[in-house]
Amino acid sequence: AQSVTQLGSHVSVSEGALVLLRCNYSSSVPPYLFWYVQYPNQGLQLLLKYTSAATLVKGINGFEAEFKKSETSFHLTKPSAHMSDAAEYFCAVSDWAGNNRKLIWGLGTSLAVNP
Amino acid sequence: DAMVIQNPRYQVTQFGKPVTLSCSQTLNHNVMYWYQQKSSQAPKLLFHYYDKDFNNEADTPDNFQSRRPNTSFCFLDIRSPGLGDAAMYLCATSKGSQSGQPQHFGDGTRLSIL
Repeated sequence: AQSVTQLGSHVSVSEGALVLLRCNYSSSVPPYLFWYVQYPNQGLQLLLKYTSAATLVKGINGFEAEFKKSETSFHLTKPSAHMSDAAEYFCAVSDWAGNNRKLIWGLGTSLAVNP
Repeated sequence: DAMVIQNPRYQVTQFGKPVTLSCSQTLNHNVMYWYQQKSSQAPKLLFHYYDKDFNNEADTPDNFQSRRPNTSFCFLDIRSPGLGDAAMYLCATSKGSQSGQPQHFGDGTRLSIL
């Protein structure tokens, strides 16, 4: 079974600083990986996905993530944090559920951005 | 814009009184999912439909049922809500079961139990 581990349940950065949110996966096959963001009282919004094409994936809102097979990692980064980036971030890996696919979720990382 | 719509955004019900949450989509996606999300936790998959094929997660309580009368609509029925069922309920869709297809989420229904 596939799994995802997000290191750090809470991350705090200053506005303008680098954002680094960590995600490690466990998979016996090439994984399909996703990062989602959730703002308070809203659903989850797809930031970016890795589907075995380029290892550096660019997403929305200036975020990107790099797939590193040797480290089984898919960390999310943004060069310069904005106040509007404060939210909950979830890493997920796609897995089989019978004949269909489902997402296996990390526990999430809450990002705080300080002025 | 194509989207996933959940109604209502906030629902209050009484302990033990049946409640139905609804989800509609204009994406024409084959798969629809229902998740339960409690505060500061990851979403927990309850069940999903691939077209009319219903797939229940092993640990989903019998108290939770679902209906999908057509491609566009899906309902979550909670037959006898308990205090522990207070949560955000999220509906999501995806385009078939191909690898790499992302899920698209509605804004959720926050359920409170009195």
